[in-house]
Amino acid sequence: KQEVTQIPAALSVPEGENLVLNCSFTDSAIYNLQWFRQDPGKGLTSLLLIQSSQREQTSGRLNASLDKSSGRSTLYIAASQPGDSATYLCAVDTGNQFYFGTGTSLTVIP
Amino acid sequence: DGGITQSPKYLFRKEGQNVTLSCEQNLNHDAMYWYRQDPGQGLRLIYYSQIVNDFQKGDIAEGYSVSREKKESFPLTVTSAQKNPTAFYLCASNPGAEKLFFGSGTQLSVL
Repeated sequence: KQEVTQIPAALSVPEGENLVLNCSFTDSAIYNLQWFRQDPGKGLTSLLLIQSSQREQTSGRLNASLDKSSGRSTLYIAASQPGDSATYLCAVDTGNQFYFGTGTSLTVIP
Repeated sequence: DGGITQSPKYLFRKEGQNVTLSCEQNLNHDAMYWYRQDPGQGLRLIYYSQIVNDFQKGDIAEGYSVSREKKESFPLTVTSAQKNPTAFYLCASNPGAEKLFFGSGTQLSVL
């Protein structure tokens, strides 16, 4: 069964810092990997989706990479802002269902 | 606006009572999902449906039931057999091998 792990569980950084969030998965047979943002008491918002044939995707200050063979993905956030404070989750699509990590709770300190 | 609407936002269940959570989407997506989120845990799949009038159990289906009579609607019933129903419930949909879209969630608590 696919297992998805996110490290660290929590991260606190000063405003303006660049940061990297990590996601690892145990089975490389995936269709795609998706990064989400979740604010407290809210649903998940999709940030980036990387298809299994792609190496990275970019949207504004966000860049996500995928190394399927090693079972790893990273989410790079440039020039962090207090508004980036949220929980970030990754999920892999195996074709049958999605498997989610437990998330990284990010706090950006003004 | 296209999206997924979940209602109610907050729901309270008395012991022995069945409650139903609503999920409606106007994105014309075939696939719909129900997830349960507990503090400090990842999302766990309860049920999913790839097409109208068909659905499959997820990892934690016991104590829950669903129906998919219309493409737009995928209600979840939390039955009295679910002994620990307090959680945040999320409905999602996608057109297949693409982005997963989520509703805003329902917080279910036990009185």
